[in-house]
Amino acid sequence: DTGVSQNPRHKITKRGQNVTFRCDPISEHNRLYWYRQTLGQGPEFLTYFQNEAQLEKSRLLSDRFSAERPKGSFSTLEIQRTEQGDSAMYLCASSFPGLGLYFGPGTRLTVL
Amino acid sequence: DQQVKQNSPSLSVQEGRISILNCDYTNSMFDYFLWYKKYPAEGPTFLISISSIKDKNEDGRFTVFLNKSAKHLSLHIVPSQPGDSAVYFCAASGRSGNTPLVFGKGTRLSVIA
Repeated sequence: DTGVSQNPRHKITKRGQNVTFRCDPISEHNRLYWYRQTLGQGPEFLTYFQNEAQLEKSRLLSDRFSAERPKGSFSTLEIQRTEQGDSAMYLCASSFPGLGLYFGPGTRLTVL
Repeated sequence: DQQVKQNSPSLSVQEGRISILNCDYTNSMFDYFLWYKKYPAEGPTFLISISSIKDKNEDGRFTVFLNKSAKHLSLHIVPSQPGDSAVYFCAASGRSGNTPLVFGKGTRLSVIA
């Protein structure tokens, strides 16, 4: 399977805990994106990488959020000191520049 | 501020008829537009796209129309099938697709057999 994969698919955590999500993009794609989706909303852009360089971050990405793509392949998104408002579906996508995004299945985060 | 707007949260259509989903945008820098389909518990799936140099793009049962002067695009599905029932997202990008996609809130399409 050469699609975008995300792990874990579901994460339940208590408020104040740290969580980390992983995304493995389509191997030929050099761009990797993180989006967040809440109920009744479309996906909202968080950040994206071209190879290992983080090129843009949304103002939605507070200082509790950090994303890395150390070798230009997989990426991790960490949320520190989680809050109930962080509960959402976190979507990863990959692409070539100028082409549409290919999304993974998402990681659903529930913060209790 | 919503740069991409889908004003109809839901739409019901009979099987075999045409489904028309609408999308409006406000940012005149957008020049690349896409439609995605999303089933529950899955990520969005790319459906069809159109560049601002065109006003129509067709792929099988799916056609996207772009009216740049009105900043409006629409997705036509003909004929509609029950398997088309899903949430459809309109998305837009600038610099020929090189800026991050901005999504609308989605329209839930129900195709009734």
